[in-house]
Amino acid sequence: QKEVEQNSGPLSVPEGAIASLNCTYSDRGSQSFFWYRQYSGKSPELIMFIYSNGDKEDGRFTAQLNKASQYVSLLIRDSQPSDSATYLCAVNGGTSYGKLTFGQGTILTVHP
Amino acid sequence: EAGVTQFPSHSVIEKGQTVTLRCDPISGHDNLYWYRRVMGKEIKFLLHFVKESKQDESGMPNNRFLAERTGGTYSTLKVQPAELEDSGVYFCASSAGAHQETQYFGPGTRLLVL
Repeated sequence: QKEVEQNSGPLSVPEGAIASLNCTYSDRGSQSFFWYRQYSGKSPELIMFIYSNGDKEDGRFTAQLNKASQYVSLLIRDSQPSDSATYLCAVNGGTSYGKLTFGQGTILTVHP
Repeated sequence: EAGVTQFPSHSVIEKGQTVTLRCDPISGHDNLYWYRRVMGKEIKFLLHFVKESKQDESGMPNNRFLAERTGGTYSTLKVQPAELEDSGVYFCASSAGAHQETQYFGPGTRLLVL
């Protein structure tokens, strides 16, 4: 079992729709959770971070965390073609203090 | 404020040669990380510096990899001798703290070993 798992996709949604990206993790001691966006050939760029159970909203983005289920998700409302990228889930804390453990990433395509 | 910078952006070398990658973290960030993404795989942690000290080097693949951070500022990652499987994108990241702190990534160095 991978430490952080994501559906690699590709996930294709129409412009204006809600994109839902999911991530599960294996280390129950994990404490912080990050979503990065990576355009092809570019560096990972932080979108959201979340530490506590529940929802956290920032503009069109909502991160959801359920530690009991070891599940974190990212919702993108009103998806735009510019949101097309690879979304990386990363986990910190627990046995991996300091370092980030990444999932393989989900490729999102938003078509006009 | 300048972000994390890395040099070179690309490097093509032959098997058996030596390559040195450089990372300049965000000014004032004590924590510096190296990661690597091999084609088709997830980004993997290599090591973590706190200032000039190695906090965690559990991700270093083998003793052909040597990382240094003299003076606690920029860092270098040397691969000697390079092997074909070392090809990938090497990312550097930095953060102000380590626990629950956001890590900011550099643009990466694309290494191709022929």
